[in-house]
Amino acid sequence: QKEVEQDPGPLSVPEGAIVSLNCTYSNSAFQYFMWYRQYSRKGPELLMYTYSSGNKEDGRFTAQVDKSSKYISLFIRDSQPSDSATYLCAMKSQGGSEKLVFGKGTKLTVNP
Amino acid sequence: DTGVSQDPRHKITKRGQNVTFRCDPISEHNRLYWYRQTLGQGPEFLTYFQNEAQLEKSRLLSDRFSAERPKGSFSTLEIQRTEQGDSAMYLCASSLWTSGKSDTQYFGPGTRLTVL
Repeated sequence: QKEVEQDPGPLSVPEGAIVSLNCTYSNSAFQYFMWYRQYSRKGPELLMYTYSSGNKEDGRFTAQVDKSSKYISLFIRDSQPSDSATYLCAMKSQGGSEKLVFGKGTKLTVNP
Repeated sequence: DTGVSQDPRHKITKRGQNVTFRCDPISEHNRLYWYRQTLGQGPEFLTYFQNEAQLEKSRLLSDRFSAERPKGSFSTLEIQRTEQGDSAMYLCASSLWTSGKSDTQYFGPGTRLTVL
């Protein structure tokens, strides 16, 4: 079992839809949780950063972390064609390795 | 542009050749990371530096790979005797670490390597 599991999709939604993206993980040492957006042939761009459990909201984006279930989510409200990209979840432990452990990424297409 | 920069953006080489990539981090950042990303996968950690010290290396970083950050600013990643399996996007990230605070890694645009 990989440390971080993410459904690669692809996911296709109409413009204006609410998008839900998810990851599960197995390493209980993970304390920092991130979502990155990656456009084709570009580097990942940080969207959301959360420490431990809880919710965080930034504009149309909401990140949720449920450590008891080892499950994290990213919600995109009022999705736009410009949101079409691959979304990567990433995690890091506290006090151990400094590396980010990524999911495979979910490819999202928002259709006008 | 004050983000992470990488050079070259694309590199095509023949199997067996050596290649070197450069990364310039965000200027005040003291940590620099290298990752590798293959098609359809998330980035995989290779190594990271704090200032000029290489503090962590992945088992993915075989003997053919070497990274340096001699003055604690830019870094180079060299691959010797390239193999077709080395074809990937090589990503650099940087962060500002201070004691007691978490740091966020910001990525560059990557160097896409194709080994023929």
